Amino acid sequence: EVQLVESGGGLVKPGGSLRLSCPASGFTFTNVWMSWVRQAPGKGLEWVGRIETKFDGEIKKYAAPVKGRFTISRDDSKNTLYLEMHSLKTEDTAVYFCATDFARAYLGSWGQGTLVTVSS
Amino acid sequence: EIVLTQSPGTLSLSPGERATLSCRASQSVTSNYLAWYQQKPGQAPRLLIYGASTRATGIPDRFSGSGSGTDFSLTISRLEPEDFAVYYCQHYDSSTMYTFGQGTNLEIK
Repeated sequence: EVQLVESGGGLVKPGGSLRLSCPASGFTFTNVWMSWVRQAPGKGLEWVGRIETKFDGEIKKYAAPVKGRFTISRDDSKNTLYLEMHSLKTEDTAVYFCATDFARAYLGSWGQGTLVTVSS
Repeated sequence: EIVLTQSPGTLSLSPGERATLSCRASQSVTSNYLAWYQQKPGQAPRLLIYGASTRATGIPDRFSGSGSGTDFSLTISRLEPEDFAVYYCQHYDSSTMYTFGQGTNLEIK
């Protein structure tokens, strides 16, 4: 069974930084592209970014609102996905989900999410 | 950039009834890269349908997807109590990546 467990969320001041982690199990992490998706309170889903596998060049893509501030990385030795967030803004407040890629176009399995609150 | 518009915003139905949710794209969708997700309160989204009409593993056959081009729909043939949730459509494009609709809230009447 696929398990994704996000952690690292919390309260941070505007301009601050935070790192989220998503350890994975139940599948061969090394072979799977991974994404982060966020959901502001009471709002819809917004894709944040994706990292491909090392075999595919570990290419990273980001949504425009986070490009240059957020960095996705992976540690295949630890089966863990990361999201490093800097220069946080109040509009970054959301639940952040990690998700597995499916068929290179969809999001197959999701974690339960971790809440990031950016507020002074 | 493709914009996905879902309708209605809220759909009120009773268990046993048929539900039809719509997702309209601002431009024709590439290779039918269109998916549907279900999200219950406090839970993560779950992939239901991909490729516009293929059910994901373990999804009951009362869920079906259809459509092409710019108009897509998700149909739930006979609503079960556990089907009341928010549903999102999603498109993938290699330039704009993953785009979601704003969601349809399917609520119990």
